[in-house]
Amino acid sequence: DADVTQTPRNRITKTGKRIMLECSQTKGHDRMYWYRQDPGLGLRLIYYSFDVKDINKGEISDGYSVSRQAQAKFSLSLESAIPNQTALYFCATRSGRGTGELFFGEGSRLTVL
Amino acid sequence: SQQGEEDPQALSIQEGENATMNCSYKTSINNLQWYRQNSGRGLVHLILIRSNEREKHSGRLRVTLDTSKKSSSLLITASRAADTASYFCATAVSSTGFQKLVFGTGTRLLVSP
Repeated sequence: DADVTQTPRNRITKTGKRIMLECSQTKGHDRMYWYRQDPGLGLRLIYYSFDVKDINKGEISDGYSVSRQAQAKFSLSLESAIPNQTALYFCATRSGRGTGELFFGEGSRLTVL
Repeated sequence: SQQGEEDPQALSIQEGENATMNCSYKTSINNLQWYRQNSGRGLVHLILIRSNEREKHSGRLRVTLDTSKKSSSLLITASRAADTASYFCATAVSSTGFQKLVFGTGTRLLVSP
């Protein structure tokens, strides 16, 4: 089983719909992240969380919200999806006591029509 | 703006040849990491080099870091078709008490048999 699991892996939705992407991890890490990947732009940080009670905005948080339901679970929501949110979304985890290495999920490909 | 910029954007070589990718960044860093991404998959950590290190090896990978030039290079020796992937540098920078990882735009490597 994967250490960092994202669901769904693929989703097609329409403009205005609410979408939730879920992430769960079995690595026991305290820190979790949501990134967005667009062609030619690399990965950009949307939100990050150091523990259940600590959630912070990244560089592109507008239009997104997150929930850290437990140490192992971190979900990303698009309250009203728009076409320019079409992208590949990655969840990642890291130990606060580690070397700084991120562990990524396999990604959730979202298409907003 | 992107902290890290990889060069070249794309690289095509034959099996057995060496592949060199470069990364330039703009601000002081704590460490620099290289990740690999197979098409449409999650990123996998390859190697981390700290700001006080100049060179590091891991198997067929050799990473150098020149903090005076704010640049790093990743060398893959004796490349294999299985090395075909995108490679990203990520710089760890401190920001308001938080160490964040900023990704470059990536180099697409194609290794032909």
